[in-house]
Amino acid sequence: DIQMTQSPSSLSASVGDRVTITCQASQDISNYLNWYQQKPGKAPKLLIYDASNLETGVPSRFSGSGSGTDFTFTISSLQPEDIATYYCQQYDNLPHTFGQGTKLEIK
Amino acid sequence: EVQLVQSGAEVKKPGESLKISCKGSGYSFTSYWIGWVRQMPGKGLEWMGIIYPGDSDTRYSPSFQGQVTISADKSISTAYLQWSSLKASDTAMYYCARQGSALGAIDYWGQGTLVTVSS
Repeated sequence: DIQMTQSPSSLSASVGDRVTITCQASQDISNYLNWYQQKPGKAPKLLIYDASNLETGVPSRFSGSGSGTDFTFTISSLQPEDIATYYCQQYDNLPHTFGQGTKLEIK
Repeated sequence: EVQLVQSGAEVKKPGESLKISCKGSGYSFTSYWIGWVRQMPGKGLEWMGIIYPGDSDTRYSPSFQGQVTISADKSISTAYLQWSSLKASDTAMYYCARQGSALGAIDYWGQGTLVTVSS
């Protein structure tokens, strides 16, 4: 299985801050990387697919970059409604493994 | 509107069997993969396996192979996740999820089915 390592595991930031989460794959996955947001008690929601493509309807403050083994997810200006846990997921090889998640809190 | 509607919460005893369901609507059910994702209490997401209802091609994560069975009935646009003998460690929220024909991103999720296994 491809291992996906996210960092940090938790993060506290203020409204308006720029927030960055990283995800590292244990082998080259090209750009086969997605980012999801999960709010408490809800199903996850796709934000970014193919490493850098914004899903329809997702605010432009969310962005993704990277290829190969190293990826970055950024919120350009943190909003109160962005409080959630964020997961990366690779889909280069089965099983389509997730990172362990990054819990984002408001400072 | 694409929807994945899952069956309701279940409370079972260890050793019992269980089959939970996921009904798709608003799209061509046979043209997309349906997968299952486990989330244990307070933990992260785990990809379990996936089925293509068009031809019943099924793939499992090695971690779940032999532990669960994934199936689908395309005549009623419904996918299933089944256990023959539940364990307490199967207690979790289970989500069904749609992936595109090229096995890309999960673009739609079910609301989740909470399975509780307790004596």
